[in-house]
Amino acid sequence: GENVEQHPSTLSVQEGDSAVIKCTYSDSASNYFPWYKQELGKRPQLIIDIRSNVGEKKDQRIAVTLNKTAKHFSLHITETQPEDSAVYFCAASGYSTLTFGKGTMLLVSP
Amino acid sequence: SQTIHQWPATLVQPVGSPLSLECTVEGTSNPNLYWYRQAAGRGLQLLFYSVGIGQISSEVPQNLSASRPQDRQFILSSKKLLLSDSGFYLCAWSLARAGETQYFGPGTRLLVL
Repeated sequence: GENVEQHPSTLSVQEGDSAVIKCTYSDSASNYFPWYKQELGKRPQLIIDIRSNVGEKKDQRIAVTLNKTAKHFSLHITETQPEDSAVYFCAASGYSTLTFGKGTMLLVSP
Repeated sequence: SQTIHQWPATLVQPVGSPLSLECTVEGTSNPNLYWYRQAAGRGLQLLFYSVGIGQISSEVPQNLSASRPQDRQFILSSKKLLLSDSGFYLCAWSLARAGETQYFGPGTRLLVL
């Protein structure tokens, strides 16, 4: 089955800096890659996703890039703000259910 | 628009007691439904998923079971809770095809004492 590795497990940045979270996947058949943000005590919420026919997608301060050849995808957050502090999960899906990474705790200090 | 409900929001149960958590979805038909468990500070563990009424796939062996008595209702049960069953239980739905976004419910926080 699919295996998704996510790095780093924790990431601390200063407000205004950029943050990058990276994921790799194992199943070359995977073609859908969502990213979720989970604030403390809340449900995970979709923040951005990308499909395999696209290499990059941007939504304001967040962007996702996908390299299908290398089987990795990344989340980029620019101009980080304290409210970006949360746990971020990547996931991959092909013909079955989503497989999630173990999460990255992002801490943005004012 | 679609909404997903879970109840109860929080639950404190003694070891050995039964469990029933309920999830319902509104605004869509024939969704795929999922149960996840999240231990404190940990990732999302898929427990069960269902592609239709009465169709349940189990991802991990445990003392939990799931049922889907109606199209938009998903129930997580246990006959005897263990301490290790404590956690944050999340129900999710997606459209009924591969490679679709999953949308999570508000979750049930379960503490087994």
